[in-house]
Amino acid sequence: DTAVSQTPKYLVTQMGNDKSIKCEQNLGHDTMYWYKQDSKKFLKIMFSYNNKELIINETVPNRFSPKSPDKAHLNLHINSLELGDSAVYFCASSPRINTEAFFGQGTRLTVV
Amino acid sequence: AQSVAQPEDQVNVAEGNPLTVKCTYSVSGNPYLFWYVQYPNRGLQFLLKYITGDNLVKGSYGFEAEFNKSQTSFHLKKPSALVSDSALYFCAVRDRGNTDKLIFGTGTRLQVFP
Repeated sequence: DTAVSQTPKYLVTQMGNDKSIKCEQNLGHDTMYWYKQDSKKFLKIMFSYNNKELIINETVPNRFSPKSPDKAHLNLHINSLELGDSAVYFCASSPRINTEAFFGQGTRLTVV
Repeated sequence: AQSVAQPEDQVNVAEGNPLTVKCTYSVSGNPYLFWYVQYPNRGLQFLLKYITGDNLVKGSYGFEAEFNKSQTSFHLKKPSALVSDSALYFCAVRDRGNTDKLIFGTGTRLQVFP
């Protein structure tokens, strides 16, 4: 009965590969997000979707492509992985503009 | 542009003592402010929020925060710290434009010593 779930939890891959991270929320929220946490623990938004429509794309390289098949899912596909993509990626969702966001457990991506 | 600042990278406090984790904000209009906690190798957990109303907001695990409009601050407090409170704490503000994103501070590591 996890509210926001991401898979996989850990991902180790070689440079140049393509990988996907999946996210699902069972809270009935309209808005979903992807955040990136770097090695210094800074959190920065990457994308936001509202009812399957892209709202935010924060100057993320176009190697990163979010996909929202329905409002309960927001997957993140990354092409041609680079060393600098190593980070923890968090999915989150929220019901309305003035409410808190609920976060998944994170996916630790390591590019070698 | 909306932003929050957490001036302390780390706060150390003895168990049983009161703790304060500082946050200041810069917004246009009325702010929507939040505190989150991150335990090692875990996601972010919501602690509390200020939207409107009473300036003193109570949240999870005995934490509270005081909204101070004149000082543009939203400091997190707890009367008596526990060792288990040791974690990374993030202040955040909602961007109330059409982007609706949460903008996070740089985080403050709280270390509670027994």
